[in-house]
Amino acid sequence: NAGVTQTPKFQVLKTGQSMTLQCAQDMNHNSMYWYRQDPGMGLRLIYYSASEGTTDKGEVPNGYNVSRLNKREFSLRLESAAPSQTSVYFCASNHRDLTGNTIYFGEGSWLTVV
Amino acid sequence: AQTVTQSQPEMSVQEAETVTLSCTYDTSESNYYLFWYKQPPSRQMILVIRQEAYKQQNATENRFSVNFQKAAKSFSLKISDSQLGDTAMYFCAFMKHGSSNTGKLIFGQGTTLQVKP
Repeated sequence: NAGVTQTPKFQVLKTGQSMTLQCAQDMNHNSMYWYRQDPGMGLRLIYYSASEGTTDKGEVPNGYNVSRLNKREFSLRLESAAPSQTSVYFCASNHRDLTGNTIYFGEGSWLTVV
Repeated sequence: AQTVTQSQPEMSVQEAETVTLSCTYDTSESNYYLFWYKQPPSRQMILVIRQEAYKQQNATENRFSVNFQKAAKSFSLKISDSQLGDTAMYFCAFMKHGSSNTGKLIFGQGTTLQVKP
């Protein structure tokens, strides 16, 4: 049971380049999320997917697109990377049971845009 | 809109002693969850403890406990018998409850805790 897996872990991009961050979870969770963490700050929600086939904007969606490919996978795409998108990106999924919700995070993807 | 505030950017504690990290939040919701996450230098986000707002009893997980004051909108984390491995950044986070909730977390700014030998 790998939990939430993100790739790549590290990436350096030039301004204007595009790339996709991949995320997969093997816990059969319905909801998945992409957050970003800037230095000295907490995580902020970029996009989320409440269930397979649906996606919605979070707090900071500009410059990003997402795809919920299936229940397991939720990808984040930067179409034209900007230095302001230098950050650590976290994918997460939501476990919901009778006691409530718990969010599980991947290990993070460090992205630098130069 | 909900907000979460951690007013202590940095704290330190001697090994084996007790430390309390503060968190306040603002919401008009009556039912919600509060969390503390630990982020060591590896940057992994590790769930420390969870509190449901409808529960009056404070959550406890081994050396970690919370003081949840719903009326005051306060949610502090107490770490007892601090260990060197507790050195990390700690984030307080809020999540709304309910069938329409899709599990979105709102984070505070974080508190960096250093445990000294």
